[in-house]
Amino acid sequence: DTVLTQSPVLAVSPGERVSISCRASEGVSSYLHWYQQKPRQQPKLLIYEASNLAAGVPARFSGSGSGTDFTLTIDPVEADDTATYFCQQSWNEPRTFGSGTKLEIK
Amino acid sequence: QVKLLQSGAAVVKPGASVKMSCKASGYTFTDYWVSWVMQSHGKSLEWIGEIYPDGGATNFNEKFKGKATMTVDKSTSTAYMEFSRMTSEDSAIYYCARRGYYPGFAYWGQGTLVTVSS
Repeated sequence: DTVLTQSPVLAVSPGERVSISCRASEGVSSYLHWYQQKPRQQPKLLIYEASNLAAGVPARFSGSGSGTDFTLTIDPVEADDTATYFCQQSWNEPRTFGSGTKLEIK
Repeated sequence: QVKLLQSGAAVVKPGASVKMSCKASGYTFTDYWVSWVMQSHGKSLEWIGEIYPDGGATNFNEKFKGKATMTVDKSTSTAYMEFSRMTSEDSAIYYCARRGYYPGFAYWGQGTLVTVSS
């Protein structure tokens, strides 16, 4: 299975820029998607196909990368962005998710 | 608008099976694959598999073959997943999800919490 590796925790202050990384154990082309999950809620799609903003998602969120290295950027960070962020690939079967990066706002 | 409404929480005994539902509305049920995703407490997400309502074709994560059974009822626009031989490791929140007009799961149910306890 394709393993997606993410840093477990990041802490930033409001107004700063944060980059969350996702590294794939094998190539996934651009079929890498990002989700935000807040406590007791279902995941919410933020970015699809590495760099495309999903409907209704603020332009503060952006994505980049292809192949094995991907980045989700939030600029500027707001207090409400406190959440866990997951990457997910749909290029190889089975579809897999990263372990998640918990974003803490100082 | 697209909605996926899942059945309520369940408590099941070890070794038993559980069947949960996902009722779709706001779109043509037979046009999109419905996926099932598992999230164990405090952990990441695992894709279990998917079913295409028009015909019932399925794709499974090998890990869950023989463990999960997916079905649909087109008359009620409802997808079902049955998980068998439950163990404590199967205690989790189970989500149904659907892609949008693009890859990625744009729509999620609210989740069904399943607790395995004797």
